[in-house]
Amino acid sequence: AQSVTQLDSHVSVSEGTPVLLRCNYSSSYSPSLFWYVQHPNKGLQLLLKYTSAATLVKGINGFEAEFKKSETSFHLTKPSAHMSDAAEYFCVVRSNTGNQFYFGTGTSLTVIP
Amino acid sequence: EAQVTQNPRYLITVTGKKLTVTCSQNMNHEYMSWYRQDPGLGLRQIYYSMNVEVTDKGDVPEGYKVSRKEKRNFPLILESPSPNQTSLYFCASSSRLGLADYNEQFFGPGTRLTVL
Repeated sequence: AQSVTQLDSHVSVSEGTPVLLRCNYSSSYSPSLFWYVQHPNKGLQLLLKYTSAATLVKGINGFEAEFKKSETSFHLTKPSAHMSDAAEYFCVVRSNTGNQFYFGTGTSLTVIP
Repeated sequence: EAQVTQNPRYLITVTGKKLTVTCSQNMNHEYMSWYRQDPGLGLRQIYYSMNVEVTDKGDVPEGYKVSRKEKRNFPLILESPSPNQTSLYFCASSSRLGLADYNEQFFGPGTRLTVL
């Protein structure tokens, strides 16, 4: 069965410092992985996706993630945090049938001015 | 504008009173899905539909029903709501990527349901 584990429920960074949100996945095949962002009282927006092309995936708003099969990880990074990055972030894996999506429990990012 | 719409956005109801939350997408997507979001649990898939008249259970289907009579609509039905169904509900849609694969999902704005 597929699953994702987001290792931190809360992350706090200062504005202008790097962001690292950690995600490990469990899958018996080469997975499709996604990161979504949810701003307060808003719906979810896709940040980036990995679908077995380049292992380093660039997304919107300066975010990127690196797929590491040996570590079963798909961590989300950004070189310099902005106040507008404060939100909830979800790591998602698609099932091997392609029909279901499994969300992590989320990481709440706080950006300190 | 490409979008997924949900109605109502907010609903307060009482135990046992049947309700329907509508979901509609204008992107001609084959795949549609319902999720519930609860604090500390992330989003959990309730039901999904791969195309018209094709639906299947997700991880938490108990107490819910769905139908997919038209490609654009995917209503969520709670026949006898209970307080443990108080949650934030999201509808999503996605285009087909391959024979059995789907692309990333586009989400609606959410429906906040309270069952008293």
